[in-house]
Amino acid sequence: DADVTQTPRNRITKTGKRIMLECSQTKGHDRMYWYRQDPGLGLRLIYYSFDVKDINKGEISDGYSVSRQAQAKFSLSLESAIPNQTALYFCATSDHFRGSGGGTDTQYFGPGTRLTVL
Amino acid sequence: QQQVKQSPQSLIVQKGGISIINCAYENTAFDYFPWYQQFPGKGPALLIAIRPDVSEKKEGRFTISFNKSAKQFSLHIMDSQPGDSATYFCAASIEGSGNQFYFGTGTSLTVIP
Repeated sequence: DADVTQTPRNRITKTGKRIMLECSQTKGHDRMYWYRQDPGLGLRLIYYSFDVKDINKGEISDGYSVSRQAQAKFSLSLESAIPNQTALYFCATSDHFRGSGGGTDTQYFGPGTRLTVL
Repeated sequence: QQQVKQSPQSLIVQKGGISIINCAYENTAFDYFPWYQQFPGKGPALLIAIRPDVSEKKEGRFTISFNKSAKQFSLHIMDSQPGDSATYFCAASIEGSGNQFYFGTGTSLTVIP
């Protein structure tokens, strides 16, 4: 079973519609992230959350909002979708273990949601 | 402003050859530099990572070379195989700052049999 799941996997919607993308994880990580991927632009951070009460804007948060309903769930909303929000969206979680030899910082990505706004 | 600059955008290599992807950064506070591999239809997955206290890290056919003074790091894939065909992203972060990762723009690697 996948550790990080995203629903839906594909979505086509129209300009002005409200859209919610959902992410669930079974890894037990506190930190969760939403990225969008565009050709030639790589992965850009939209929002991130360190726990249920801690939500932070990333570099491209305009037009998006998020909700951390529980440790395992982090949803991304587009209140009024526009065509330039057409992209591949990824949810990720991260661990942050600091041992005697340093720490580990690994991001674990979900399979992605392909969103098309017409 | 791109925090991490990656090149080339695409790369075609013959099977058995060496693939080299380069990244550069400006923020000297970055102290963790991972590479992620992404296959079509999948999310990126950690491939290999390095911290600036070492100049090289090798895992199997994959090696990261790190040049702290030049603020550059690169991924070398030795004996490239068709199964290595994927998109590769470099990234940088500051430990303790909140784990924000800044990704490069990605390199699409095609290994020709």
